[in-house]
Amino acid sequence: DVKVTQSSRYLVKRTGEKVFLECVQDMDHENMFWYRQDPGLGLRLIYFSYDVKMKEKGDIPEGYSVSREKKERFSLILESASTNQTSMYLCASSFRGFLAYEQYFGPGTRLTVT
Amino acid sequence: TQLLEQSPQFLSIQEGENLTVYCNSSSVFSSLQWYRQEPGEGPVLLVTVVTGGEVKKLKRLTFQFGDARKDSSLHITAAQPGDTGLYLCAGGVNGSSNTGKLIFGQGTTLQVKP
Repeated sequence: DVKVTQSSRYLVKRTGEKVFLECVQDMDHENMFWYRQDPGLGLRLIYFSYDVKMKEKGDIPEGYSVSREKKERFSLILESASTNQTSMYLCASSFRGFLAYEQYFGPGTRLTVT
Repeated sequence: TQLLEQSPQFLSIQEGENLTVYCNSSSVFSSLQWYRQEPGEGPVLLVTVVTGGEVKKLKRLTFQFGDARKDSSLHITAAQPGDTGLYLCAGGVNGSSNTGKLIFGQGTTLQVKP
């Protein structure tokens, strides 16, 4: 079974703090994704990576950065957390090519910024 | 910009009833995925449909891809409380078959009462 794990299930941070969210997958997937999920808005793509050290902006990259130093690990960084970044953050991974659209998700990190 | 509209947003039914969830777009998608998400967990892939007119069955769930590959439906027969959850449709962004970039609908929250 594909396993995608995220470093924390719940996180509470203060405004202005630097926040690191980490994601690890064990299926040798080339693609990795970070989404945020808000009620009524579905999942919105923040950043994705299709290879080590490669990254591309998604639909809502402002206020976020990412790092992918190893194939299995993809980190999301909030440089200076703000209250409007309170959300559920989901990491996903997939193979490249024909199966690229079949994404496997982690359990999510519910981040609250106060 | 590709968009996916899901309807209805909320559905509350009694055990044993049938239901259909719709996912519509004005854009053509190369494939469409359906995911189910339970509270506190990440989405889990249910099915991928690829060919226009394709029908796939997963026990009591029937998935259909429109002939023009612009829409899809999920039909549940004799719903059970275990079907409760958030159902998400997602379509592959054109030109991103390698990176697996998806567009998600807003989701349909289904509650099945015993």
